[in-house]
Amino acid sequence: ELKVEQNPLFLSMQEGKNYTIYCNYSTTSDRLYWYRQDPGKSLESLFVLLSNGAVKQEGRLMASLDTKARLSTLHITAAVHDLSATYFCAVASYSGNTPLVFGKGTRLSVIA
Amino acid sequence: DSGVTQTPKHLITATGQRVTLRCSPRSGDLSVYWYQQSLDQGLQFLIQYYNGEERAKGNILERFSAQQFPDLHSELNLSSLELGDSALYFCASSPRGAEGGNTIYFGEGSWLTVV
Repeated sequence: ELKVEQNPLFLSMQEGKNYTIYCNYSTTSDRLYWYRQDPGKSLESLFVLLSNGAVKQEGRLMASLDTKARLSTLHITAAVHDLSATYFCAVASYSGNTPLVFGKGTRLSVIA
Repeated sequence: DSGVTQTPKHLITATGQRVTLRCSPRSGDLSVYWYQQSLDQGLQFLIQYYNGEERAKGNILERFSAQQFPDLHSELNLSSLELGDSALYFCASSPRGAEGGNTIYFGEGSWLTVV
């Protein structure tokens, strides 16, 4: 059974600081997704990472994938308040039973 | 706006009742997914349909059922509702499945409160 673990689950950052969210998964997969969710809102797609070594950047967010380590990271550079949200990673399973398995999410709060 | 439309946005109903949640996928998307989000369970995959046929099944209770119609819209039926069914139900769609790294787009969700 595919398991996806994120850490930390809660993160309070000061504006202007850098931090990394980690996403580990338990079985082979080369498709990893990052989503952002504001409270009570939909999930907004941030990145789709398709291969080992893939790196994608959008603004202050950069995501990477290491399929050998079964690890993805979401790096936040010079955090601003608008980045406050919950960030989910999700992994596509090959098992055919569960198309996308989500981590528990990292609730990020950026404070002045 | 992801292009995935869900109705109703909010629903309050009593225990034992039955409700139907509706989803219209993005134009051209063949795959529809249903997820349940609750505070204690997180985001749980329920079921996937692809071009009208059931493709994958997750932790969907027997009291729940779904279908995808020829026009590709989908409905999730929840019956004999219990308090624990209160959650945010998301529909998502993609052109195919997760194969090929298609982005999976989520709707705004349907808030279900069972009282």
